[in-house]
Formats: sequence, structure tokens, C-alpha cells
Amino acid sequence: GAVVSQHPSRVICKSGTSVKIECRSLDFQATTMFWYRQFPKQSLMLMATSNEGSKATYEQGVEKDKFLINHASLTLSTLTVTSAHPEDSSFYICSARLGRLDTQYFGPGTRLTVL
Amino acid sequence: AQSVAQPEDQVNVAEGNPLTVKCTYSVSGNPYLFWYVQYPNRGLQFLLKYITGDNLVKGSYGFEAEFNKSQTSFHLKKPSALVSDSALYFCAVRERTNAGKSTFGDGTTLTVKP
Repeated sequence: GAVVSQHPSRVICKSGTSVKIECRSLDFQATTMFWYRQFPKQSLMLMATSNEGSKATYEQGVEKDKFLINHASLTLSTLTVTSAHPEDSSFYICSARLGRLDTQYFGPGTRLTVL
Repeated sequence: AQSVAQPEDQVNVAEGNPLTVKCTYSVSGNPYLFWYVQYPNRGLQFLLKYITGDNLVKGSYGFEAEFNKSQTSFHLKKPSALVSDSALYFCAVRERTNAGKSTFGDGTTLTVKP
């Protein structure tokens, strides 16, 4: 299957700092990328959907000014958690797909811990 | 609106026995259906999908799933479970007409005991 990478895999930061997470589709061009948040032993919570070259569409209750998403190219999307707080600590997973009818492929996830 | 239900939080089977992880869905129109597996502290790995055609879909690692339109189900099965199959399994549905976002179930933890 297609490969999606995420970097970093794990990050620890101080409260008030910003953290950027990168998501790359390595062997296909992703017209759409998704960002999810997952709490322990729970399902995926969709945060936002981003299409290359356009603004991300955020799910209800997700602060767009706090979770900045950029999808500048067909192989790269970034999620920046701004002014991070301990409650932002979570497992963040990105996903990418080629077209509307295609399979979503997931990155390995990023464990964010805010002290 | 589309939705997915995985009625069992936990499924326990003995190694070598057949396993079933249940999934039912609700969509308006025909669905795309997917199964993913997640190992601890990892992202989701694609197992298989149903788009159209044969109701029995074969996927990775010996898994298969049967699409049942009348029962709106897409149960995941494997004839002989392995200890290494122990993981968290997610079912997902996407409407064909919309083909936008997928909706994921809450996940089922499969434990295969030796």
C-alpha cells in the first residue's frame, strides 16, 4: 500500500510553545489530507480536512487558530499546535488519499506531550 | 448522515480459532467500506475495502470481510487467528455520492490467546 510518513514521531514541549508536525505522502500525490486526534483507547476524532492549495475545513469544536493546517503541496501537509497546553497532549495522526474514491492511508502518528 | 457501529469493545479468541469482528453501518445510498488495524502507538494500517462487485472481500494478512447489504453489515473475519493479530480494529464507511469524509467506528480490541 501507499506510504505516509509523519515527523516527529514523538515530541515533548513546554506549555506556551508551538509545535509543528509534518505529514508526507511518499509515493503518491495526495489531493486530500486529514488530521485526526486520538485519545487513549478511543476512536479517531477528525480535526480537519485539507485539500492542496486551499484552506483547511475544520470540524465543529476544533479551533482553527490553535491548530493551523497548511497543505502547500500534493505531498506535504503540516499541523501546527500553537501556544500548546497540557490538554493538547494527545496522539495526532494524519491521513492522505489520492482522490475522492480512493483509500485513505495513515501516517504512523505523533505523540505530543505538553508539560 | 453516515455512521458506523462496532458493537463489541473487546473480542477474545484462542489461537487457531476463527475470529469475527463485527461492523454495521448506516449511509444514504451505497457505501464504501474499509477495515483498518492499529497496533499500539502506531497509525492505522489498511486491511481491505469494499467498493463494488463481490460481497466477499479478501485483504491483507489472511483477513476477509463480507458485505451484507440487507443487514448493512461488513464483518471482518479470519479462519485461523494468530497471536500477532492482537490489535485494535476499526471499521469505516464513506458515502459514494459524497465520497468526502470517512466515518470510523469506535474500534474493537482483538486479543488472541495462545
